[in-house]
Amino acid sequence: GAGVSQSPSNKVTEKGKDVELRCDPISGHTALYWYRQRLGQGLEFLIYFQGNSAPDKSGLPSDRFSAERTGESVSTLTIQRTQQEDSAVYLCASSLMNTGELFFGEGSRLTVL
Amino acid sequence: AQKITQTQPGMFVQEKEAVTLDCTYDTSDPSYGLFWYKQPSSGEMIFLIYQGSYDQQNATEGRYSLNFQKARKSANLVISASQLGDSAMYFCAMRGAAGGTSYGKLTFGQGTILTVHP
Repeated sequence: GAGVSQSPSNKVTEKGKDVELRCDPISGHTALYWYRQRLGQGLEFLIYFQGNSAPDKSGLPSDRFSAERTGESVSTLTIQRTQQEDSAVYLCASSLMNTGELFFGEGSRLTVL
Repeated sequence: AQKITQTQPGMFVQEKEAVTLDCTYDTSDPSYGLFWYKQPSSGEMIFLIYQGSYDQQNATEGRYSLNFQKARKSANLVISASQLGDSAMYFCAMRGAAGGTSYGKLTFGQGTILTVHP
């Protein structure tokens, strides 16, 4: 597709369950980013990939959060043992190399009951 | 470390008037890039405008212009001739230069909600 694709668009889960969020970047974009946005808040940086390596994981809130990327393609953000405070919209973005503007997906809204 | 500050939680403007959204930043990187994004109620993030720290002129994109004052570390967004469709959340963001500690990721401010009145 032409844009960044994220799935699922909505996910409701029970506390303690694991969730996987997927991001399919724009073809040819080598840089991929994950952000978290709580309701009414700004964007909180989680992790950034250049190719399939992650030079900056500084934003991952805890060891329950992990992310991987296959080549210069799909990325998966995994949250283990979800907590209610994990409820947020998780936004993925990609950019050509690691310069220039970020192109965002529509986000995955996670609700932890 | 980089920091972006948007001090206006909300702004109101009359349709067809101009409005300025404030953004100040702090960085130790010698060069950097500044971005503005718009987030309507639908949630999508829309890129508006970019300013490089060594660009000689202020960036402009249609009705959007960036009032870049490097010495004051401010990068205010000016929207001219406001339209009802401009009502949204607006985020200022910064990326550090290659080789710097903040290269790669964008650091975002907390945002300003703009409401355009008819």
